[in-house]
Amino acid sequence: TQLLEQSPQFLSIQEGENLTVYCNSSSVFSSLQWYRQEPGEGPVLLVTVVTGGEVKKLKRLTFQFGDARKDSSLHITAAQPGDTGLYLCAGEGETSGSRLTFGEGTQLTVNP
Amino acid sequence: ETGVTQSPTHLIKTRGQQVTLRCSSQSGHNTVSWYQQALGQGPQFIFQYYREEENGRGNFPPRFSGLQFPNYSSELNVNALELDDSALYLCASSLEANTGELFFGEGSRLTVL
Repeated sequence: TQLLEQSPQFLSIQEGENLTVYCNSSSVFSSLQWYRQEPGEGPVLLVTVVTGGEVKKLKRLTFQFGDARKDSSLHITAAQPGDTGLYLCAGEGETSGSRLTFGEGTQLTVNP
Repeated sequence: ETGVTQSPTHLIKTRGQQVTLRCSSQSGHNTVSWYQQALGQGPQFIFQYYREEENGRGNFPPRFSGLQFPNYSSELNVNALELDDSALYLCASSLEANTGELFFGEGSRLTVL
């Protein structure tokens, strides 16, 4: 069974601060996705990383896939209240197609 | 292009009852996956349907069953409801079964009393 562990589980910061969320596994994934979910809504895809060592940037968000494709991180620079939400990482197994394994999520609150 | 839509958005059932949740996939998508998200947890894979056939199942008992129709919409049925079935049920569609990119609906919030 493939598991993804996210840390921290909860994060409450002030506007303007930087933060990093981690997603770790002992399993290798063919790709890893990051989603953001707001209350009462489904997760929305932010980014997919596929290649070991890959770094992708989405405005103030930087995503990195580990060299061994077992872990990933999400870094947010100068967080804003609009960044508040549940951040989920999800791994696509090498043989599981679009059946994703999700981490438990990181609940981020950015206070004005 | 219409997104993934789910119905109902909220419902309340009692233990032992049965429930059917519905999902319309995004236009052009032939694959639908269902996930259960308990409060404070990440989504857990229930099963996937590809071109009307079950294409993989997670660790859920047989009382969780599904269907996919020729127009690729889908239903999730849960029999003999238990209190622990209370959760947000998410439907996600994808272009093909082996494409990792999922597009989620807003979910159906089921409460079992």
